[in-house]
Amino acid sequence: QKEVEQNSGPLSVPEGAIASLNCTYSDRGSQSFFWYRQYSGKSPELIMFIYSNGDKEDGRFTAQLNKASQYVSLLIRDSQPSDSATYLCAAPFSGTYKYIFGTGTRLKVLA
Amino acid sequence: DAGVTQSPTHLIKTRGQQVTLRCSPISGHKSVSWYQQVLGQGPQFIFQYYEKEERGRGNFPDRFSARQFPNYSSELNVNALLLGDSALYLCASSLTGFYSPLHFGNGTRLTVT
Repeated sequence: QKEVEQNSGPLSVPEGAIASLNCTYSDRGSQSFFWYRQYSGKSPELIMFIYSNGDKEDGRFTAQLNKASQYVSLLIRDSQPSDSATYLCAAPFSGTYKYIFGTGTRLKVLA
Repeated sequence: DAGVTQSPTHLIKTRGQQVTLRCSPISGHKSVSWYQQVLGQGPQFIFQYYEKEERGRGNFPDRFSARQFPNYSSELNVNALLLGDSALYLCASSLTGFYSPLHFGNGTRLTVT
């Protein structure tokens, strides 16, 4: 059973729209969650992290965490073509130092 | 401040050879982790080191080894290379490595022929 799951996409949204990326996780003990953006051929870049239930906003990005339902989401407002990338969700496996990554969702923002 | 630096950026090796990858963490970060990423997959955990001690190891064979030096830099060694070892190898540093954000370097692209 996969521990962090994401829809691989591609998710296509028009420029200026809101992109919604979702992630579910199986480890109820996970305490922190991270979103990374990865352009093709590049390394992952940290976008957001969230530890508590609810929403956390940073500029055009909002991370949402629901521990009861075991899902994390990332909203990107006013999507731009430069947001086109693969978005990775990650969580440390509880009690270990191992961070589990999803396979990523490919986002395409259409100009 | 400089980010995480990795060297080399690209490497081509032949099956059976050995390779050493290097990483310098962000200043002040004491934890270094290594991840392997193959095309179309998320990064897979290989090792984590903190204060020169190995704190975790992923499901990789004993051909993979690593160490961390007193200045917190790290090396990843892979012996007896196989074609399947071809991947992007990512080094990540973090303050504690425990529930804190990982910051990745640019990676080393290893190709085994």
